[in-house]
Amino acid sequence: KAGVTQTPRYLIKTRGQQVTLSCSPISGHRSVSWYQQTPGQGLQFLFEYFSETQRNKGNFPGRFSGRQFSNSRSEMNVSTLELGDSALYLCASYEGGGRVDTQYFGPGTRLTVL
Amino acid sequence: EDKVVQSPLSLVVHEGDTVTLNCSYEVTNFRSLLWYKQEKKAPTFLFMLTSSGIEKKSGRLSSILDKKELFSILNITATQTGDSAVYLCAVEARAGGTSYGKLTFGQGTILTVHP
Repeated sequence: KAGVTQTPRYLIKTRGQQVTLSCSPISGHRSVSWYQQTPGQGLQFLFEYFSETQRNKGNFPGRFSGRQFSNSRSEMNVSTLELGDSALYLCASYEGGGRVDTQYFGPGTRLTVL
Repeated sequence: EDKVVQSPLSLVVHEGDTVTLNCSYEVTNFRSLLWYKQEKKAPTFLFMLTSSGIEKKSGRLSSILDKKELFSILNITATQTGDSAVYLCAVEARAGGTSYGKLTFGQGTILTVHP
């Protein structure tokens, strides 16, 4: 099976712009979780989607949003970018059917805000 | 709030050494504990532990969970330079409410293996 894919792999934006990141889960997986990774805060949970519904959201401002499509692909959007949004954004996919299962991570999108 | 603490934060060893990485946690309604290896890119899955006292093994790596004392260890024997990475421990609570899809990660242990 192909792994989790994320596009783009690298992005450079300036403050005030917005950005959209994409995540394609492993075939058959219905859930996608998003994380932000920074040197200071480590890996922090952003939100989770299952069958096009957001089931959980972390402690991030409303500038961070996401959605999931019927094919389980997910996007996250960050509006009005700030310097502190520079980070590695990781998505993870899993089956999401309720049983214990493993989250598998994509390669990440490295976002740099200038 | 769920919490995961890893120790040590960094470790430098020579090839052939054996290392033990520690992970302690506090989580409401524990479901699973996971270990990941991260080398400048995506975390790659190593182990998932749900039951206490059962060792998981994969080659030179092994891990065990103690649900009574709320900790896990990851052992790597006969280390190689390719083991150099950040090792992340994460916990997941039972699905529901604010727990869906959320892994709470520790700070990670940076392992450096010198030839």
